[in-house]
Amino acid sequence: DVKVTQSSRYLVKRTGEKVFLECVQDMDHENMFWYRQDPGLGLRLIYFSYDVKMKEKGDIPEGYSVSREKKERFSLILESASTNQTSMYLCASSFRPSYNEQFFGPGTRLTVL
Amino acid sequence: QQQVKQSPQSLIVQKGGISIINCAYENTAFDYFPWYQQFPGKGPALLIAIRPDVSEKKEGRFTISFNKSAKQFSLHIMDSQPGDSATYFCAASRRYISQAGTALIFGKGTTLSVSS
Repeated sequence: DVKVTQSSRYLVKRTGEKVFLECVQDMDHENMFWYRQDPGLGLRLIYFSYDVKMKEKGDIPEGYSVSREKKERFSLILESASTNQTSMYLCASSFRPSYNEQFFGPGTRLTVL
Repeated sequence: QQQVKQSPQSLIVQKGGISIINCAYENTAFDYFPWYQQFPGKGPALLIAIRPDVSEKKEGRFTISFNKSAKQFSLHIMDSQPGDSATYFCAASRRYISQAGTALIFGKGTTLSVSS
């Protein structure tokens, strides 16, 4: 089975802190994605990566950056956390660019105080 | 043009009934339409998907109906069960500017409750 793991299930940070969310997949997938999920807004794409060191902005990249130094690991970085970044963050991966099924991790609920 | 509009926002169905969730899109470049199911505390998981060259796809009690001319697609859950109670998201696949990556755009979700 494909497994996508996220480093924390729950995280509480202070405004202005730098926050790292880590995601690891164990199936040699090329594509990895970061979404945020908010009630009534569904899943919104923040960033995705289609290869090591390659990244592309999604629909809401402002205030976020990403890093993919190894194929299995994709990190989301909040440079200076703000209260409006309180949300559920979901990581996903898919096998290759033309194969679209995405496998999701369990999510990290981030609270910024 | 990049949106996928999903309705209803919430749905209550009696056990054994039919649940129907609808989605509409504008961009004719979308070429893959999946439905994801999410239980509380879990990430979404692929339920069923369809490509635009097919008008219907059925897997067990779950059916996608696809109307290319109307740019609409829907999920039907037959003989709905309490275990189907979850949030359902429709989605569509699109390419980004680089053309090297494809990503999904999701609807806002429908919370389904099946009462016993």
